[in-house]
Amino acid sequence: QKEVEQNSGPLSVPEGAIASLNCTYSDRGSQSFFWYRQYSGKSPELIMSIYSNGDKEDGRFTAQLNKASQYVSLLIRDSQPSDSATYLCAGRYGGATNKLIFGTGTLLAVQP
Amino acid sequence: DVKVTQSSRYLVKRTGEKVFLECVQDMDHENMFWYRQDPGLGLRLIYFSYDVKMKEKGDIPEGYSVSREKKERFSLILESASTNQTSMYLCASSPTRQGAREAFFGQGTRLTVV
Repeated sequence: QKEVEQNSGPLSVPEGAIASLNCTYSDRGSQSFFWYRQYSGKSPELIMSIYSNGDKEDGRFTAQLNKASQYVSLLIRDSQPSDSATYLCAGRYGGATNKLIFGTGTLLAVQP
Repeated sequence: DVKVTQSSRYLVKRTGEKVFLECVQDMDHENMFWYRQDPGLGLRLIYFSYDVKMKEKGDIPEGYSVSREKKERFSLILESASTNQTSMYLCASSPTRQGAREAFFGQGTRLTVV
């Protein structure tokens, strides 16, 4: 089982809708989670980080973490065509290793 | 702003060559990572380093080695390049302190081995 799993998509939503991206992880030792956005041919850029159970909001983005169920999600409200990209979920393991593991990414397409 | 710089955007090397990919960060981060990214496979961790001269294998270390002689620089070495190492290589760095431990990426190096 992969340590961080995502549905590869593509996830297609109309402009103005809410896009919901999900991620599950297998290691309960994971301490923190990150959502990155990657446009084609570009490097990943950080959108959100979350460390505690519950929701964290930043503008149109909300990250949700549920450690008991081992899932992380990202909601994008009022989706725009410019949000079309691959979204990568990553989990960070603590202690001495500081290992950062990524899922395979979900391709989001926002239709005008 | 955090800056992570990779030495080349594009490289073409011949099979059997020794290849060096260099990465430099300017934020005094303890951790540095090398990933490769292939279609359908996402980012796969090759090696990471949590301190100078310290390294740990990631998920796919075979055929690669790394060097971290200075805190700001992390090098990925392909001992004898092969065509299956054709890929996009991404370097990242992050701090260790509690709280803001997100990783920042370089611009990537697209390596083609012919």
